[in-house]
Amino acid sequence: GAVVSQHPSRVICKSGTSVKIECRSLDFQATTMFWYRQFPKKSLMLMATSNEGSKATYEQGVEKDKFLINHASLTLSTLTVTSAHPEDSSFYICSAADNTINQPQHFGDGTRLSIL
Amino acid sequence: AQSVTQLGSHVSVSEGALVLLRCNYSSSVPPYLFWYVQYPNQGLQLLLKYTSAATLVKGINGFEAEFKKSETSFHLTKPSAHMSDAAEYFCAVSGGNTDKLIFGTGTRLQVFP
Repeated sequence: GAVVSQHPSRVICKSGTSVKIECRSLDFQATTMFWYRQFPKKSLMLMATSNEGSKATYEQGVEKDKFLINHASLTLSTLTVTSAHPEDSSFYICSAADNTINQPQHFGDGTRLSIL
Repeated sequence: AQSVTQLGSHVSVSEGALVLLRCNYSSSVPPYLFWYVQYPNQGLQLLLKYTSAATLVKGINGFEAEFKKSETSFHLTKPSAHMSDAAEYFCAVSGGNTDKLIFGTGTRLQVFP
């Protein structure tokens, strides 16, 4: 149980395009989903907390207009990187938690984004 | 406020040897502690969690961790390393009324034959 599916696993696109990444909880409902960014050989940096039916909460220093998050249902959250540039290239990982506080987050397999 | 410190960014062991990955935490509320493993180009997989029940926690793949409040530690151990254990390991803490996870900087485990 507790499977999180993230799609696509890898994206290569030109500078200036927008890229959408999907995160789905397959066998449980996730009131809260999280989006992380991971730089090479570094830890995970929390970008934002996505709450179903409300606006996402962004961490300090993360541009909300650059990284658009939508959590339209209890099983789906999307991250759109708008007008992507080479510096946005990174490994993006989502996670989902069930409705209970302090229960483990379940992670997707990540999306490798490469902007040319 | 919460934080996690993982001592040693790289740990190397021989196959069959004891694995010890260190994690110390800081938390102003009772902590919930987690160990995750990450294989190359993949997300994180939960190894085990401490949620204020038994202080010795057993996880998957033969790993276990002991919560020691007096030492503010939650070190991860495995009696006998296997080649397939080579990966990046992250310790994380949460607590209070938030679901946010605070991650350590990770420890890369290498296993030599």
